[in-house]
Amino acid sequence: ILNVEQSPQSLHVQEGDSTNFTCSFPSSNFYALHWYRWETAKSPEALFVMTLNGDEKKKGRISATLNTKEGYSYLYIKGSQPEDSATYLCASYNTGNQFYFGTGTSLTVIP
Amino acid sequence: DGGITQSPKYLFRKEGQNVTLSCEQNLNHDAMYWYRQDPGQGLRLIYYSQIVNDFQKGDIAEGYSVSREKKESFPLTVTSAQKNPTAFYLCASKASGLYNEQFFGPGTRLTVL
Repeated sequence: ILNVEQSPQSLHVQEGDSTNFTCSFPSSNFYALHWYRWETAKSPEALFVMTLNGDEKKKGRISATLNTKEGYSYLYIKGSQPEDSATYLCASYNTGNQFYFGTGTSLTVIP
Repeated sequence: DGGITQSPKYLFRKEGQNVTLSCEQNLNHDAMYWYRQDPGQGLRLIYYSQIVNDFQKGDIAEGYSVSREKKESFPLTVTSAQKNPTAFYLCASKASGLYNEQFFGPGTRLTVL
């Protein structure tokens, strides 16, 4: 079992604030790091799939970075909006073709 | 529309009964996965299948069984041997290839009374 950890567990920010979360994962047997957004009453949806050390990906106000050597990824949200409120999951995909998920970071953006 | 369906959304069963959760996808994905979510825990892998007629145990397979007779379908049976079956169950699928994302169904909440 791979130990994937996310922090913080929950976060409350004011609308317009920028924020970031951390995902740490074992760097051995690594294929890819996935970020998903899970809104209440909906299914998780993929944000990013990151594979290379130093990868940076961006989708609108959300961006992510990857460090495979030290085993961590950051997710950044610039100018948070109420619609960004969700649980953000990261998952490590390894050579066993399995995904290992962290417990998620629950973000609440206060209008 | 392409996607993954799970049924039913809510399921209640008496203790000691087996129950089967449905998962269907029309995305033409080879790989399918079953996860379980409990409060305060991340998604944990129960079973996965990379191809029709083949599947592997995940980290918490005890008390569960699956079949993969068709590419589109990956039903999960929660048997009476599963000690704590009450949970939220998510099904997912993925296209072949190392760097493709998973697509998730809406989930089934199972309550065993």
